[in-house]
Amino acid sequence: DVKVTQSSRYLVKRTGEKVFLECVQDMDHENMFWYRQDPGLGLRLIYFSYDVKMKEKGDIPEGYSVSREKKERFSLILESASTNQTSMYLCASRHRGRFSEQYFGPGTRLTVT
Amino acid sequence: AQRVTQPEKLLSVFKGAPVELKCNYSYSGSPELFWYVQYSRQRLQLLLRHISRESIKGFTADLNKGETSFHLKKPFAQEEDSAMYYCALKATSGSRLTFGEGTQLTVNP
Repeated sequence: DVKVTQSSRYLVKRTGEKVFLECVQDMDHENMFWYRQDPGLGLRLIYFSYDVKMKEKGDIPEGYSVSREKKERFSLILESASTNQTSMYLCASRHRGRFSEQYFGPGTRLTVT
Repeated sequence: AQRVTQPEKLLSVFKGAPVELKCNYSYSGSPELFWYVQYSRQRLQLLLRHISRESIKGFTADLNKGETSFHLKKPFAQEEDSAMYYCALKATSGSRLTFGEGTQLTVNP
């Protein structure tokens, strides 16, 4: 079974802090993704990575950056957390094949106070 | 640009009743459509995709290119179908998914 894990289920940070969200997958997937999930807005793509050291902006990259130094790990960084970044963050991965599905992690609920 | 719309945020039906979750999309090319489901306290998972043309847990979805829709249907809803459902679109040549806003389905006893 594909396993996508996220470093924390719940996280509370203060405004202005630098926040790291980590995602690890164990299936040698090339593609990895970070979404935020908000009620009424669905899932919105923040950043994605086609492969190691590659990254592409999604629909809402402002205020975020990412790092993909190793194939299995994709990190989301909030340089200076703000209250409007309070959300559920989901990581996903997939094999690069055309018909591959995305597998999701359990999510990290981040609260910025 | 690609866009997915799920017009109903909340949908409530009784057990045994038919259920239809609506999904409309806009995309200039040939899309691949998916339904994802998230049960309470579980991770998001793939329910079905249009290319498979299969029924999963009694659910089916037909891609209607003329109406640009991919509605999810089940003839007899069960209480265990209560969950959040997301419709998603992928460009044929791409890897990223565009998700709709989600529909929270509640099946009442």
